[in-house]
Amino acid sequence: EDQVTQSPEALRLQEGESSSLNCSYTVSGLRGLFWYRQDPGKGPEFLFTLYSAGEEKEKERLKATLTKKESFLHITAPKPEDSATYLCAVQFMNSGYSTLTFGKGTMLLVSP
Amino acid sequence: SQTIHQWPATLVQPVGSPLSLECTVEGTSNPNLYWYRQAAGRGLQLLFYSVGIGQISSEVPQNLSASRPQDRQFILSSKKLLLSDSGFYLCAWTPLGASYEQYFGPGTRLTVT
Repeated sequence: EDQVTQSPEALRLQEGESSSLNCSYTVSGLRGLFWYRQDPGKGPEFLFTLYSAGEEKEKERLKATLTKKESFLHITAPKPEDSATYLCAVQFMNSGYSTLTFGKGTMLLVSP
Repeated sequence: SQTIHQWPATLVQPVGSPLSLECTVEGTSNPNLYWYRQAAGRGLQLLFYSVGIGQISSEVPQNLSASRPQDRQFILSSKKLLLSDSGFYLCAWTPLGASYEQYFGPGTRLTVT
């Protein structure tokens, strides 16, 4: 069964302390991998789409990378406003109409 | 630009009562529309999706139903709520011809008492 696993479940960083979040997937074929940011009580906010191994996308302090079996979301010199839950989602080749399978997320807390 | 709306923002309903949640999208035509539920400590669970008016696909058997009476309107309903229906309900859309990313609405927090 196709599935998506995110690690760690929670991560606490000091401001300026860089780190990475992981999203691994077991899949029969990948159509796309997506990263979202979700603040408490709000809907997920789209960040990046990755399609093929070796691809990278950047936005401010965030950089997403993709290999054949996992993706990393690198956070460089994080600030307290980066605190949120980061969700990874995958669209598999055998899923219909852009349906996505989500991981459970990584809750990031950045302390000043 | 495109905008997605959901209402109500919060809802407290007793067990056995009916439910109607509404989602509308502005600024696009023929979107794919999705309903998700997010329970505490769990990931987003896809409930329904729709590729056009009157076309609904269900991902999870349950006491919920969905309808799409207009191109940019998606409704989630129940005749009798269960305690297990509590959660954060999210509507999402994919633009026609887009590279599959979905854009989410602000969500509805439902508490069944």
